[in-house]
Amino acid sequence: SQTIHQWPATLVQPVGSPLSLECTVEGTSNPNLYWYRQAAGRGLQLLFYSVGIGQISSEVPQNLSASRPQDRQFILSSKKLLLSDSGFYLCAWTTGLAGRTDTQYFGPGTRLTVL
Amino acid sequence: AQSVTQLDSQVPVFEEAPVELRCNYSSSVSVYLFWYVQYPNQGLQLLLKYLSGSTLVKGINGFEAEFNKSQTSFHLRKPSVHISDTAEYFCAVTPGFQKLVFGTGTRLLVSP
Repeated sequence: SQTIHQWPATLVQPVGSPLSLECTVEGTSNPNLYWYRQAAGRGLQLLFYSVGIGQISSEVPQNLSASRPQDRQFILSSKKLLLSDSGFYLCAWTTGLAGRTDTQYFGPGTRLTVL
Repeated sequence: AQSVTQLDSQVPVFEEAPVELRCNYSSSVSVYLFWYVQYPNQGLQLLLKYLSGSTLVKGINGFEAEFNKSQTSFHLRKPSVHISDTAEYFCAVTPGFQKLVFGTGTRLLVSP
């Protein structure tokens, strides 16, 4: 069966520090991968998605970036964190079969607090 | 572009009472619809989804939802809630390109 991991589970970082959040998927090949941010009272905002290694699409302009160095690894990064980057970050995957609308499966999330 | 409106930010209900969480969407094309549940400090778990066919969709944990195309709604219902149903519920839509658009969520509070 497929599983999705995220780490760290929680993170407290000072303003201006770098960030690296990691997401890995097991049990599937060539998944579509997604990064969402959940801010209090604002639902989920899609940040990035990827349909393959090195292929990243950005949904909103921000000081975050994403990379996909391996098929089942998705990394969210920042060079300098802002207070507004605080939130709950969720990674998700789908099977990636063209033309299908598959369920998105979510990881356990990372709670980021920027002070 | 698609959008989702969840009209209630919070719904308090007593245990064993019925509940309805409302979801309306806006789209110029046909969409697929989803309901997810999020327990505190956890990721999202799929409750149910509508892709095609019967407009009444049954999901896990006794939940069901009805797709109403004319009213552009996809309300979630449960005939009798439990304390363990306390969570946040998200409605989401997609035109089929695997980019989900989420509502802002409804917090269901079940009390004894």
